[in-house]
Amino acid sequence: EDQVTQSPEALRLQEGESSSLNCSYTVSGLRGLFWYRQDPGKGPEFLFTLYSAGEEKEKERLKATLTKKESFLHITAPKPEDSATYLCAVQAVFQGAQKLVFGQGTRLTINP
Amino acid sequence: ETGVTQTPRHLVMGMTNKKSLKCEQHLGHNAMYWYKQSAKKPLELMFVYSLEERVENNSVPSRFSPECPNSSHLFLHLHTLQPEDSALYLCASSQAPTPDSGNTIYFGEGSWLTVV
Repeated sequence: EDQVTQSPEALRLQEGESSSLNCSYTVSGLRGLFWYRQDPGKGPEFLFTLYSAGEEKEKERLKATLTKKESFLHITAPKPEDSATYLCAVQAVFQGAQKLVFGQGTRLTINP
Repeated sequence: ETGVTQTPRHLVMGMTNKKSLKCEQHLGHNAMYWYKQSAKKPLELMFVYSLEERVENNSVPSRFSPECPNSSHLFLHLHTLQPEDSALYLCASSQAPTPDSGNTIYFGEGSWLTVV
């Protein structure tokens, strides 16, 4: 069964304090690993897709990396506006369609 | 503007009511999805329409009924719901996957449903 576990559940940082969020996964045949950002009361906003081990992608203060068992979302010198819940998901294909299997998310708070 | 529009944004309904959630995508995609997001639980897939065909999901109670009249519109019809069905219902869309790779799934802002 496809499974995604994110840690920590919640993380509180000071502005400028870099850190990493973890996403561990088990999936039969990885098609893609996705990171989304979700603000309170809103839908998930797409950030990155990673397809193979060793791949990295960057966007502003965020950098996502992928190994065969986990992905990290590194946040460098974060600002208060980076506060959000970050969701990790693996893509699975079934019955000719696709779906995302999500972790529970990491709730990130950046204090000024 | 996310390209996926959901209405209404908020809905309060009694357990005997019938209501519908509506979703429209402006991205030219050919697959649409309903996800449910409850407090302290991961997003759960409810239904998928891919190339205008519904993919069954047996774990969803029959009080939820999807309808996809074309590739741009998706509905979720609600009937005789329970208070535990209160949640954020998210619509999403994407291009249908190929045998070798999937495609990015884009979400709407969600419809907050409260069942009283």
